[in-house]
Amino acid sequence: QKEVEQNSGPLSVPEGAIASLNCTYSDRGSQSFFWYRQYSGKSPELIMFIYSNGDKEDGRFTAQLNKASQYVSLLIRDSQPSDSATYLCAVNSLADRGSTLGRLYFGRGTQLTVWP
Amino acid sequence: ETGVTQSPTHLIKTRGQQVTLRCSSQSGHNTVSWYQQALGQGPQFIFQYYREEENGRGNFPPRFSGLQFPNYSSELNVNALELDDSALYLCASSLSQGAYGYTFGSGTRLTVV
Repeated sequence: QKEVEQNSGPLSVPEGAIASLNCTYSDRGSQSFFWYRQYSGKSPELIMFIYSNGDKEDGRFTAQLNKASQYVSLLIRDSQPSDSATYLCAVNSLADRGSTLGRLYFGRGTQLTVWP
Repeated sequence: ETGVTQSPTHLIKTRGQQVTLRCSSQSGHNTVSWYQQALGQGPQFIFQYYREEENGRGNFPPRFSGLQFPNYSSELNVNALELDDSALYLCASSLSQGAYGYTFGSGTRLTVV
């Protein structure tokens, strides 16, 4: 069973602070890693993806990947109240039952609250 | 470029009934996946369709079935509904391997009473 684990939270940070979200995964064959943001009652929205070890920056967001440690993280700088949402870590791996295509395995999500 | 659209947005069904959910994939995407998201949980993979054939299935019973049409749109059918089937059902489209991510539709909220 391929697993994706996230720090359960909830995580609460003041406006302007850095929010750090962490995720580990069990399948060493995983090739691509995603962070989705999900507002309450809405569908997940892709905010970052990363394939290579190291950091990838996009605006206030930085994704970090360490394949040796099977660890991926998301840093949100200058956090805003509008960043308050559940953040889902997802890993693209081959499905268990003879699939030729990848599929996403999700963590349970970390709820982030940014207070003014 | 159109996104992923799902219908209906909300649905209430009685235990034992059957339901069909629909999804139109994003323009240019040839793969459709379906996920079930229970309250407080991450999305769980149901199955995936590529070129009108099922290509991978999660731990869901056979009463969950699907179709993909030549225009890449898809249906999810659930027979003999159970109370635990109450969830947000998400459709996601991608190009083949999904290497650049999956685009999710707005979901269908199914309530089984």
